[in-house]
Amino acid sequence: DGGITQSPKYLFRKEGQNVTLSCEQNLNHDAMYWYRQDPGQGLRLIYYSQIVNDFQKGDIAEGYSVSREKKESFPLTVTSAQKNPTAFYLCASNSYNSPLHFGNGTRLTVT
Amino acid sequence: GEDVEQSLFLSVREGDSSVINCTYTDSSSTYLYWYKQEPGAGLQLLTYIFSNMDMKQDQRLTVLLNKKDKHLSLRIADTQTGDSAIYFCAEIGGNQFYFGTGTSLTVIP
Repeated sequence: DGGITQSPKYLFRKEGQNVTLSCEQNLNHDAMYWYRQDPGQGLRLIYYSQIVNDFQKGDIAEGYSVSREKKESFPLTVTSAQKNPTAFYLCASNSYNSPLHFGNGTRLTVT
Repeated sequence: GEDVEQSLFLSVREGDSSVINCTYTDSSSTYLYWYKQEPGAGLQLLTYIFSNMDMKQDQRLTVLLNKKDKHLSLRIADTQTGDSAIYFCAEIGGNQFYFGTGTSLTVIP
């Protein structure tokens, strides 16, 4: 079955540590996206990538980094510079002019 | 960014109809979408409407689009407890997706 896989589902880290969230898709989509979701705030775009080896900052990129070395993979690193990293992170992908398909999310808790 | 607005909460009794409303800002959007999010999960595409349409019906779901007022609504007929979730509307503007804050639908048995 085609889809988007995010791992792990739950992630716990100590403050000051970097952490990488995985996102893999086998839908052959060109574009991939990372969103952050906080209660009552909807989805906010962190980074997106339209093609391999290229990506753009979204609305809240500070404290995050990404890479797009393969079409199927778009990992997100939450760095220690991100002031409030505890959130639910959603990865999505799409082909041109088609709806976004979402993974099941990773809940990150930083203490 | 675009400003897509939704009310935060809606409660309905099982068997009644639910109407979730959304206002958007980009008149050039080609498609408008409705997504459903169950607790702890990602967003699932429910339905979408092309901007040159006024209405789209898909089983229990009816989407109405008023382009003049930039108003989109999702009607769920015969609402069931399994419909309890957060519903997001979304538009495309400039090759980016813009989501509303989501409406949390609670279905009372």
